[in-house]
Amino acid sequence: AQSVAQPEDQVNVAEGNPLTVKCTYSVSGNPYLFWYVQYPNRGLQFLLKYITGDNLVKGSYGFEAEFNKSQTSFHLKKPSALVSDSALYFCAVRDSNSGGYQKVTFGTGTKLQVIP
Amino acid sequence: NAGVTQTPKFQVLKTGQSMTLQCAQDMNHNSMYWYRQDPGMGLRLIYYSASEGTTDKGEVPNGYNVSRLNKREFSLRLESAAPSQTSVYFCASREGQGAGELFFGEGSRLTVL
Repeated sequence: AQSVAQPEDQVNVAEGNPLTVKCTYSVSGNPYLFWYVQYPNRGLQFLLKYITGDNLVKGSYGFEAEFNKSQTSFHLKKPSALVSDSALYFCAVRDSNSGGYQKVTFGTGTKLQVIP
Repeated sequence: NAGVTQTPKFQVLKTGQSMTLQCAQDMNHNSMYWYRQDPGMGLRLIYYSASEGTTDKGEVPNGYNVSRLNKREFSLRLESAAPSQTSVYFCASREGQGAGELFFGEGSRLTVL
């Protein structure tokens, strides 16, 4: 069974400081990994994904994520946080080797609070 | 582009009442999904439709039914609502194959009294 862990319910960071939101995963085959962001009372929006290749993936709004196969991690990062980055962030995984539906499993989410 | 559109955005029901959540996408996606979001539990899949004419159960299908009306539309029905179904429901779609990401609607907040 595949799973995703986001160990921090909330991350607080000062505006202008770098931020990291952690994600670890478990999947039997090769993973497809995703980050989504949810602003209050809105649906989830896609930020970035890792399929294969370069371990550093760049996405929307200046976010990037680093895939680490040995540590089964896919941490979300940004060099300089903005107050407008405050939102709920979800990590998700899919097993690229599974046929049919290819179930997507979501983490429980991490609330990012950027303090002015 | 509208993307994924859900209706209604808010609904209050009494226990035992029925209702249908509507979802439509204009991206010509093959696959459509219904999720529920509850605090501390992330998103859980209720039902999905890999292509027009097919539907399958997800992680938490009990108490729900779905209809894939055509390629654009995928509805979720609660036949006899229960307080445990109080949640925020999201419809999503994606292209059927490969590593495509999900596109989500804005959500439908349902309260069952």
